[in-house]
Amino acid sequence: QSVVTQPPSISGTPGQRVTISCSGTSSNIGSNYVYWYQQFPGTAPKLLIYKNNQRPSGVPDRFSGSKSGTSASLAISGLTSEDEADYFCSTWDARWEDRRSGRWVFGGGTKLTVL
Amino acid sequence: EVQLTQPGVEVKKPGESLKISCEGSGYNFINYWVGWVRQMPGKGLEYMGIIDPLDSDTRYSPSFHGRVTISVDKSITTAYLQWSSLNASDTAMYYCVRSLGKNVNDGFDIWGQGTKVTVSS
Repeated sequence: QSVVTQPPSISGTPGQRVTISCSGTSSNIGSNYVYWYQQFPGTAPKLLIYKNNQRPSGVPDRFSGSKSGTSASLAISGLTSEDEADYFCSTWDARWEDRRSGRWVFGGGTKLTVL
Repeated sequence: EVQLTQPGVEVKKPGESLKISCEGSGYNFINYWVGWVRQMPGKGLEYMGIIDPLDSDTRYSPSFHGRVTISVDKSITTAYLQWSSLNASDTAMYYCVRSLGKNVNDGFDIWGQGTKVTVSS
């Protein structure tokens, strides 16, 4: 069971806006940045959103991230078939201020299907 | 171009040892942490551990501590992940990753293409 929780699957139709949630606790999402990764079958994951809501160069502005309290969300607007992929949220988890005891945690992943 | 290069495939028998590599290029290798992430067939991503190439400061996920060893040779800009004795449950894809910044909790901006490890008798 993942420390941070995502829905296993979502679906949408072309042009629609969909949102993927990522739920955590005060020791992870509540006190650290959230990152989102996109993975197509047979390929390595790719950074999609960093530090809650920042897009790396080359990522379309159709992708946006947000965070509130111990939850975060990835929104994809203007859905296309090219967005069909797995999406993972990730954050640092540390029960104490000492970062030596911390670790990265990933959500279980959400499979996006474009109908 | 900034990239992490890994061997594509490793096939081993149970009980054998293995050391896989991750060569960084296109950036100042000692300025960014290098981590390892496991993905078992059809499953999600699991963080294994991370190393600072500058001073070899290494942190392990509790799930992998004692089961693998992470090391680095900064003279050849290469990080390593090794097992002393593999078992079938180690069959997975292993990705090396680069931190976004100089802090251990800065996220991963560059991913290697992955090394597919198969352990079978």
